[in-house]
Amino acid sequence: GESVGLHLPTLSVQEGDNSIINCAYSNSASDYFIWYKQESGKGPQFIIDIRSNMDKRQGQRVTVLLNKTVKHLSLQIAATQPGDSAVYFCAENYGGATNKLIFGTGTLLAVQP
Amino acid sequence: EAQVTQNPRYLITVTGKKLTVTCSQNMNHEYMSWYRQDPGLGLRQIYYSMNVEVTDKGDVPEGYKVSRKEKRNFPLILESPSPNQTSLYFCASSFRGGAGYNEQFFGPGTRLTVL
Repeated sequence: GESVGLHLPTLSVQEGDNSIINCAYSNSASDYFIWYKQESGKGPQFIIDIRSNMDKRQGQRVTVLLNKTVKHLSLQIAATQPGDSAVYFCAENYGGATNKLIFGTGTLLAVQP
Repeated sequence: EAQVTQNPRYLITVTGKKLTVTCSQNMNHEYMSWYRQDPGLGLRQIYYSMNVEVTDKGDVPEGYKVSRKEKRNFPLILESPSPNQTSLYFCASSFRGGAGYNEQFFGPGTRLTVL
């Protein structure tokens, strides 16, 4: 939505550079971690996920790194493009009896042409 | 096209006037959920439903009701809206709930303003 980007940490990068977006999660018992992209006026869109027994997973132009020791998650975007400009959220799946997601507060990625 | 739809997309109302935001999915998903999104707070879960006639509270359920009479629909009801319910609302669905992760698909959002 139009106000989602307010009050968010912002990462500004040049087109073609690599971007790294960081996230700290809270629950050591979470079994999946997910990155979502939210463009202005749209709902969150799945990018990539990683299971807790992995430390790295690669997709198309994106890589997610998981460091369980410090409960840290990062999303790397290679050769950032203007279309990558959006708010990026990490989410952790609490597992248990429901499919509950706990979302981080988000990072605004601004790609400068 | 597989999708989650919400209506209305934008709504301005006044305190105390009951309203319903509809959510529908065409993917035969068992699990559906409502979130609200506020600046600086990310998305917070309001209610969720594991299947037809099975609903439960999320993290911020006060002031909201839901129902799940059909698999495809999961309306969010505000019996007496208040200004603190001004927010951006998202409906989401996944193949199933239960243990283990299932990708959630989000609707386009409903911007609600309560005056």
